[in-house]
Amino acid sequence: DTGVSQDPRHKITKRGQNVTFRCDPISEHNRLYWYRQTLGQGPEFLTYFQNEAQLEKSRLLSDRFSAERPKGSFSTLEIQRTEQGDSAMYLCASRGDSNQPQHFGDGTRLSIL
Amino acid sequence: GQQVMQIPQYQHVQEGEDFTTYCNSSTTLSNIQWYKQRPGGHPVFLIQLVKSGEVKKQKRLTFQFGEAKKNSSLHITATQTTDVGTYFCAGLANDYKLSFGAGTTVTVRA
Repeated sequence: DTGVSQDPRHKITKRGQNVTFRCDPISEHNRLYWYRQTLGQGPEFLTYFQNEAQLEKSRLLSDRFSAERPKGSFSTLEIQRTEQGDSAMYLCASRGDSNQPQHFGDGTRLSIL
Repeated sequence: GQQVMQIPQYQHVQEGEDFTTYCNSSTTLSNIQWYKQRPGGHPVFLIQLVKSGEVKKQKRLTFQFGEAKKNSSLHITATQTTDVGTYFCAGLANDYKLSFGAGTTVTVRA
């Protein structure tokens, strides 16, 4: 069990650029989550995958955000035309079956200049 | 939608003292989870409570789930410097979606 891995750890980009983050969940976990966390707040749910199916997408996720999990293993989160308000920590979590806890990765900290 | 509220937002504690942080949900929960996040780190799972009125202990930490399954508390006794961090409760209302509170940030003075 190597834990949830996220890449990159930090991303600094100019406003208007596109960014993509990757999450590798714990290998036997079929459920994967993306969250956004800003300073002084708890993680906010963005989206959820069960295997390769995206089952829910938060209203927080504008059409500039898209997430995929093509083979039911790793996932990517892409933000197009980044804005200042997108600056945050983006956390990925995975878990196994129901009633199992979520395990978080170290997150990707995004800073928009 | 479901809202989870935590109080207090900040807890400054003298080393050796006890404190409690509280969590309240606007809806009935199927379970509640507690996480700890150290400065610069990611949330780390502490415990999950499922049954109405459930109480669980982890060394100096005592977790309780309310009878109505809408509130929870975390009580820490004899606070140590290693307890520093932000404690989040997270409520599960359906099969998969966790709603996190804003957290209680704990600092300890020696």
